Amino acid sequence: DTGVSQDPRHKITKRGQNVTFRCDPISEHNRLYWYRQTLGQGPEFLTYFQNEAQLEKSRLLSDRFSAERPKGSFSTLEIQRTEQGDSAMYLCASSLATGLANIQYFGAGTRLSVL
Amino acid sequence: AQSVTQPDIHITVSEGASLELRCNYSYGATPYLFWYVQSPGQGLQLLLKYFSGDTLVQGIKGFEAEFKRSQSSFNLRKPSVHWSDAAEYFCADFLTGSASKIIFGSGTRLSIRP
Repeated sequence: DTGVSQDPRHKITKRGQNVTFRCDPISEHNRLYWYRQTLGQGPEFLTYFQNEAQLEKSRLLSDRFSAERPKGSFSTLEIQRTEQGDSAMYLCASSLATGLANIQYFGAGTRLSVL
Repeated sequence: AQSVTQPDIHITVSEGASLELRCNYSYGATPYLFWYVQSPGQGLQLLLKYFSGDTLVQGIKGFEAEFKRSQSSFNLRKPSVHWSDAAEYFCADFLTGSASKIIFGSGTRLSIRP
């Protein structure tokens, strides 16, 4: 068990550019989640997958954001035409769906700075 | 709307002193409550959870939390803090009816005075 890994750890980009982040969940976990955390706040839910199916998306996930989990393993989060307001820490978590409550394990996050 | 409230934005305690971080959840017949810790530049590490049963739960790193339904609280405690406990602490709850969405409080930043 190597934990949830995210790449890159930091990304600096210019406004208007596209960026893509990757998340590798804990290997046996079937659920994968994306959260966004801005300075001084707790993480906010963006979306989650069960296997390869994207089951829920937050209203925070504008049409510039897209997430995929093509083979039910790793996931990517792409932001198109980045804006300064997209600057945040993007956290990925994974869990094993059992019963009503699933413990989510988080990666170290990708910090995005949009200049 | 369902919410998790952490009333204290920043707390400073002396090394070796006891600690209590407050957390209140808004509603939920069966809350599923968590405390996570986040060190600077790092992701979140689960300290402990409460799903049911004994209302006093033990976690890692010597932390414990007590669920009090009458007060809608889930306060985190540690009898003696260490300098390495300096971090941001987040209380969280599952969104009622959801098996996926966690709602986080805004966090309490803990500083340790030498």
